[in-house]
Amino acid sequence: EVQLVQSGAEVKKPGESLKISCKGSGYNFTNYWIGWVRQMPGKGLEWMGIIHPGDSDARYSPSFQGQVTFSADKSISTVYLQWSTLKPSDTAIYYCARHRDTSSVDAFEVWGQGTMVTVSS
Amino acid sequence: DIVLTQSPGTLSLSPGDRATLSCRASQSVSSSYLAWYQQKPGQAPRLLIYGASTRATGIPDRFSGSGSAAALTLTISRLEPEDFAVYYCQQYGTSPLTFGGGTKVEIK
Repeated sequence: EVQLVQSGAEVKKPGESLKISCKGSGYNFTNYWIGWVRQMPGKGLEWMGIIHPGDSDARYSPSFQGQVTFSADKSISTVYLQWSTLKPSDTAIYYCARHRDTSSVDAFEVWGQGTMVTVSS
Repeated sequence: DIVLTQSPGTLSLSPGDRATLSCRASQSVSSSYLAWYQQKPGQAPRLLIYGASTRATGIPDRFSGSGSAAALTLTISRLEPEDFAVYYCQQYGTSPLTFGGGTKVEIK
């Protein structure tokens, strides 16, 4: 079964750092782009960007460029989303999602279960 | 950025009804790069349609997509109880990729 499994919910304070993970299984992990999507409480979906686990080529939405960092460790089939300085406005559910095909331009067919990040003092 | 406007915001229908959801892009996007997703409360989105009209794997044939970025449509021919959810359109042809604001299909 093709699946993405994300790390668990996090509660952090403003100014802290955080790294959440997304582990793929059931397919050739290095062949498919994986993206990150933010969903703020009660709101819609926002595309943050994508990363290719094979070579760690990362492409960011301008809205998130410089605010977050994507990384990948293909040896353990895992991609990461990282913040160096969290803000309360980072409170959201973060989904990882795999492209339907191996193209860098594609819809998201496989989704992780989401990671809830809460940033509050 | 390409803005996707979905209408209506909420659709109140009964099981068995036909649902027609619309999505319009602020700029030209190839229909090859348009998708629809379904999201139920507490769940991740699910891909329904890609390339404007191709059903994703395992999607029932009561779901159909048509149109272009100027007027994209998702039709659910006969609503089943499990279809009441929020639906999002997406364009993935131009970076940054964008989603519409969503249409909630609720039980009347």
